Amino acid sequence: GAGVSQSPRYKVAKRGQDVALRCDPISGHVSLFWYQQALGQGPEFLTYFQNEAQLDKSGLPSDRFFAERPEGSVSTLKIQRTQQEDSAVYLCASSLAGGTKGEKLFFGSGTQLSVL
Amino acid sequence: SQQGEEDPQALSIQEGENATMNCSYKTSINNLQWYRQNSGRGLVHLILIRSNEREKHSGRLRVTLDTSKKSSSLLITASRAADTASYFCAPAGNMLTFGGGTRLMVKP
Repeated sequence: GAGVSQSPRYKVAKRGQDVALRCDPISGHVSLFWYQQALGQGPEFLTYFQNEAQLDKSGLPSDRFFAERPEGSVSTLKIQRTQQEDSAVYLCASSLAGGTKGEKLFFGSGTQLSVL
Repeated sequence: SQQGEEDPQALSIQEGENATMNCSYKTSINNLQWYRQNSGRGLVHLILIRSNEREKHSGRLRVTLDTSKKSSSLLITASRAADTASYFCAPAGNMLTFGGGTRLMVKP
């Protein structure tokens, strides 16, 4: 595709519900990143994939957060038993090359998650 | 922490004025990038400066890098109302991380 696509654009969940957020990276991009951005703050790193391998998940805040990229393209970020503190914008980004040595990132518009 | 810290946190100027934003970081880097984020949108890459470069220009943007002081600056010249956005620096070591950003408002 022309850019990184994320869906849904907005998600409202009741506390305790599970949610799944989707990211379609730019075709051919090897690296995929998930970030969490709270209101008025900068993006916080969650996890990183190189193709289908999840090489870094050090930023995931709890074991309720799970990410996958089974075929090395589309990625899903799943949050189980959502809590109010999970409310944030979840940003996906991709880059052409593998590795994490500071390649230029292309971001999607994000999914705004509101947990009531 | 690798992430940059931008200063000031907020900046309000008149159209036509220049805007300068600063970034400080703590460890060695491969490069440093600047991104822009309009309200409700994702981040857009503006410019990348490598660790062996001291200055780089792109249109109305000028970026400087001082690795001895672990600092960078972004200058936007002749600002326009459309430049209103948040600006983030991203020092790139092992992972690209972001600070809290500078929220720039350009008044018409």
